[in-house]
Amino acid sequence: GAGVSQTPSNKVTEKGKYVELRCDPISGHTALYWYRQSLGQGPEFLIYFQGTGAADDSGLPNDRFFAVRPEGSVSTLKIQRTERGDSAVYLCASSTGHYNEQFFGPGTRLTVL
Amino acid sequence: GEDVEQSLFLSVREGDSSVINCTYTDSSSTYLYWYKQEPGAGLQLLTYIFSNMDMKQDQRLTVLLNKKDKHLSLRIADTQTGDSAIYFCAGTNTDKLIFGTGTRLQVFP
Repeated sequence: GAGVSQTPSNKVTEKGKYVELRCDPISGHTALYWYRQSLGQGPEFLIYFQGTGAADDSGLPNDRFFAVRPEGSVSTLKIQRTERGDSAVYLCASSTGHYNEQFFGPGTRLTVL
Repeated sequence: GEDVEQSLFLSVREGDSSVINCTYTDSSSTYLYWYKQEPGAGLQLLTYIFSNMDMKQDQRLTVLLNKKDKHLSLRIADTQTGDSAIYFCAGTNTDKLIFGTGTRLQVFP
């Protein structure tokens, strides 16, 4: 079946602009996660959704970052007033629940010029 | 919070065994995982071990967990060129995965 998909695969934007990154989880997966991977580093947790609600957003670096999952399926990560330091690969994962295997998407590479 | 460390690079000859090491600080991690990341591809879960286990074997993969020393290792037997990738260990005791910095494995003929 289809895995986790993320769009766009690449996004180049200018400093100060607003961007939206989309994640389509595996059908039926109730848990959805966003991670950020900077060059040469491991992924860092941003936010976790269980259903429609954000169960843990402790990894969001500041209030420029926001994520939604209005219908408990697709999620959008929104970044306002982008900065060059936001450049990274943003990874989405989904799972059937707590402690269950997280299946990762291919990521969106964000470059802020 | 949890801190997970790995050596950055490992180079092995095809057919030899590879051992990738990981140390972590938070002993409350319930599960410990090994992920593989190939260029341009998403993270792939290779194997995992529950914190009350010492060892787990899965075909060519052997995971060893030393809870006293907070040390986790992944042994790949008969390493192949297709095993060249970055390997991440990760732990979790809540909802999030805490990843190490990754070990780049290079397999040469």
